[in-house]
Amino acid sequence: NAGVTQTPKFQVLKTGQSMTLQCAQDMNHNSMYWYRQDPGMGLRLIYYSASEGTTDKGEVPNGYNVSRLNKREFSLRLESAAPSQTSVYFCASSEALREITDTQYFGPGTRLTVL
Amino acid sequence: KNQVEQSPQSLIILEGKNCTLQCNYTVSPFSNLRWYKQDTGRGPVSLTIMTFSENTKSNGRYTATLDADTKQSSLHITASQLSDSASYICVVSNSGTYKYIFGTGTRLKVLA
Repeated sequence: NAGVTQTPKFQVLKTGQSMTLQCAQDMNHNSMYWYRQDPGMGLRLIYYSASEGTTDKGEVPNGYNVSRLNKREFSLRLESAAPSQTSVYFCASSEALREITDTQYFGPGTRLTVL
Repeated sequence: KNQVEQSPQSLIILEGKNCTLQCNYTVSPFSNLRWYKQDTGRGPVSLTIMTFSENTKSNGRYTATLDADTKQSSLHITASQLSDSASYICVVSNSGTYKYIFGTGTRLKVLA
């Protein structure tokens, strides 16, 4: 099993450009998440999908959109990139968000720089 | 405000030594507390999960403790190895929102 995969691994954008970060999991998990990690800060939740067909805002959703394409795939879109969105983005999945001992499995991350 | 604070920010120890990392939280209502290990350039990996009723949980050389009364947790690493060099992140779940609040991590370096 590959677990959680993310593409691309690295990306450089100019301010105003758009892009989509892709995430896929092969563990048949119901819930998926997008986080960003910035120096000196804990991971912050951008959006999550508790189950296929649903998406909800997390702590820092402004400037992002998501699509739960099917049970396996959850994409994150930056419509008009800004330098403040320079970060490392992690996708994660878990069996069931509302189970008390639900474990999240993280992908390897996408390192995004916006110039 | 729901917060998770970890100490120390960074730590250097010699291979074979033990160490203890601290986590204090103000998350309420509390659901569970997790410790993750994050190697440089990789995603976090779960080490332990503890619920309100559990006060200790082990995973090999890693032992986590939880004091729900004082809202403190610790992660003890026994007989450290070079591969333990990583960031260790404390995460607390809020049972009201099912959201995870992440600490900023402790960066551990193990020297030969």
